[in-house]
Amino acid sequence: AQKITQTQPGMFVQEKEAVTLDCTYDTSDQSYGLFWYKQPSSGEMIFLIYQGSYDEQNATEGRYSLNFQKARKSANLVISASQLGDSAMYFCAMSPLFGNEKLTFGTGTRLTIIP
Amino acid sequence: DAGITQSPRYKITETGRQVTLMCHQTWSHSYMFWYRQDLGHGLRLIYYSAAADITDKGEVPDGYVVSRSKTENFPLTLESATRSQTSVYFCASSEMGGSNQPQHFGDGTRLSIL
Repeated sequence: AQKITQTQPGMFVQEKEAVTLDCTYDTSDQSYGLFWYKQPSSGEMIFLIYQGSYDEQNATEGRYSLNFQKARKSANLVISASQLGDSAMYFCAMSPLFGNEKLTFGTGTRLTIIP
Repeated sequence: DAGITQSPRYKITETGRQVTLMCHQTWSHSYMFWYRQDLGHGLRLIYYSAAADITDKGEVPDGYVVSRSKTENFPLTLESATRSQTSVYFCASSEMGGSNQPQHFGDGTRLSIL
């Protein structure tokens, strides 16, 4: 069974600072995928970034990067130069090798950017 | 670029009534999913479909029915709504199955059952 743990229920960060959202996972699979989603107050779920377990480089998408440490089973999301529009819930999720229907979500971190 | 569309966005109904939530995607993605999001439980998979006419149960399928006669549509029906089914429902799609396939979500339907 897979499990995702997000230990920060809420975070407050000053605008323009970098922020790291923590995600640890547990799985017995050797191959898996890790995802981050953003859920603004308007409610939609927005896909941000993907990291494959065999990818040697950390994934990056614009201001988002994923700090992947396989031995520690962590997949932290880093947002550089935070903006007010980054205020949202952020969910870490994991998919096993076969079947992304078994996507497992963490409980989320509520990020608030302070002007 | 319509993507994935859910309707209605908001729905209020009474216990015992049948209600259908619609989901339409324009990407021709093979896989489609229905989730519910509840405080304290996060997102839980209700049903998913790997292709037209192929559906399978997720974590919490009881009380729900799905169909997928066309690739682009994946309606979710509550045959006899109960208060415990009050939730926010999300439809999602992915191009294929597999661990490297992100799911893309609709805007959600907020369903209240009185």
